[in-house]
Amino acid sequence: NAGVTQTPKFQVLKTGQSMTLQCAQDMNHNSMYWYRQDPGMGLRLIYYSASEGTTDKGEVPNGYNVSRLNKREFSLRLESAAPSQTSVYFCASSESAARGSYFGPGTRLTVT
Amino acid sequence: GDSVTQMEGPVTLSEEAFLTINCTYTATGYPSLFWYVQYPGEGLQLLLKATKADDKGSNKGFEATYRKETTSFHLEKGSVQVSDSAVYFCALRTTGNEKLTFGTGTRLTIIP
Repeated sequence: NAGVTQTPKFQVLKTGQSMTLQCAQDMNHNSMYWYRQDPGMGLRLIYYSASEGTTDKGEVPNGYNVSRLNKREFSLRLESAAPSQTSVYFCASSESAARGSYFGPGTRLTVT
Repeated sequence: GDSVTQMEGPVTLSEEAFLTINCTYTATGYPSLFWYVQYPGEGLQLLLKATKADDKGSNKGFEATYRKETTSFHLEKGSVQVSDSAVYFCALRTTGNEKLTFGTGTRLTIIP
């Protein structure tokens, strides 16, 4: 049981490049999330998907797009990376709101 | 909106000391409350949770009690160990809301 997995673990991009962060969970959870973590700011929600086929914006969606490919997979795309998107990105999934969320190990992204 | 305020860090304690990390919240609805822990280089792990007033969450010697009257969920441990060194996040989620709202995190360092 791998839980929540993310790829890649590290990435360096130049301004304007694009990339997709991959996330998968094997717990049969309906809800999946993308967060970014910046120093002194805790975690902020970028996008979430409450079920397969649906996605919604979180607090900080600008500059990102997401795809809920199936129940297991939820990807985050940066179409034109900017230095302000330098951050650590976490994917998470949950069975229900009351049970809490399970987090992946994170992707550390640097945009130069 | 929802918000979480937690004790500013960093916190440094000697091994076997008593730990309290304060957390207070404001919520638009009835929240479930969580403590997450992040060890260096890793993702967040759910440490404990409480879903209704006066519930006590506990795990690995840590405890927190859901206090509706003071809107608090303080994390405590009677005797900390070096292995408890990590960043601790208080979070809440209100019923019907997919979003977890996090505090900014408290870095805890335990010295032998």
